Amino acid sequence: NAGVTQTPKFQVLKTGQSMTLQCAQDMNHNSMYWYRQDPGMGLRLIYYSASEGTTDKGEVPNGYNVSRLNKREFSLRLESAAPSQTSVYFCASCGLQEQETQYFGPGTRLLVL
Amino acid sequence: AQSVTQLDSQVPVFEEAPVELRCNYSSSVSVYLFWYVQYPNQGLQLLLKYLSGSTLVKGINGFEAEFNKSQTSFHLRKPSVHISDTAEYFCAVRASGTYKYIFGTGTRLKVLA
Repeated sequence: NAGVTQTPKFQVLKTGQSMTLQCAQDMNHNSMYWYRQDPGMGLRLIYYSASEGTTDKGEVPNGYNVSRLNKREFSLRLESAAPSQTSVYFCASCGLQEQETQYFGPGTRLLVL
Repeated sequence: AQSVTQLDSQVPVFEEAPVELRCNYSSSVSVYLFWYVQYPNQGLQLLLKYLSGSTLVKGINGFEAEFNKSQTSFHLRKPSVHISDTAEYFCAVRASGTYKYIFGTGTRLKVLA
């Protein structure tokens, strides 16, 4: 099992460009999450999907959109990137069989110039 | 709404000394509590969790934590740290009946030789 995979690993964007961060899990988990990690601020929840077909806003959703494409995949889109979105982005998933434990991907490092 | 406070942003400690990393939370409903560890340039992995039952929880790598409902705390402890424990540690809370996880801002543990 690969667990949670994220692509790309690194990305540099110019202000105003768009991009989609991809996340996939092969553990048959129902719930999936997107977080951003910034120095001194811990992890902040951007969006989550409790189950296939549903998505909800987290703490910091502005400037982002998400798509739960199927049970395995949950993508995060930046429509018009801003320097404030420079961060490390983590995807996570959780299933009932995991008793609330989240499993995290390796992260995507995004720099917006 | 739930919140998590990790008051110590950095904790230096000598090798083989004990350590305690503090975590306090606020919630109006019952919660699940977690400690995650993040090694440099990696994603997060679960150290331990409290779901219900015994308030003393043991995790991987010799760590343990105690849930104290009256103090709304979930402090992480290890009786003797190793150099390899140098990492960032995150406390997280999830309210029962929800899917949202709220993370603290993290504590950097630096183990000194």
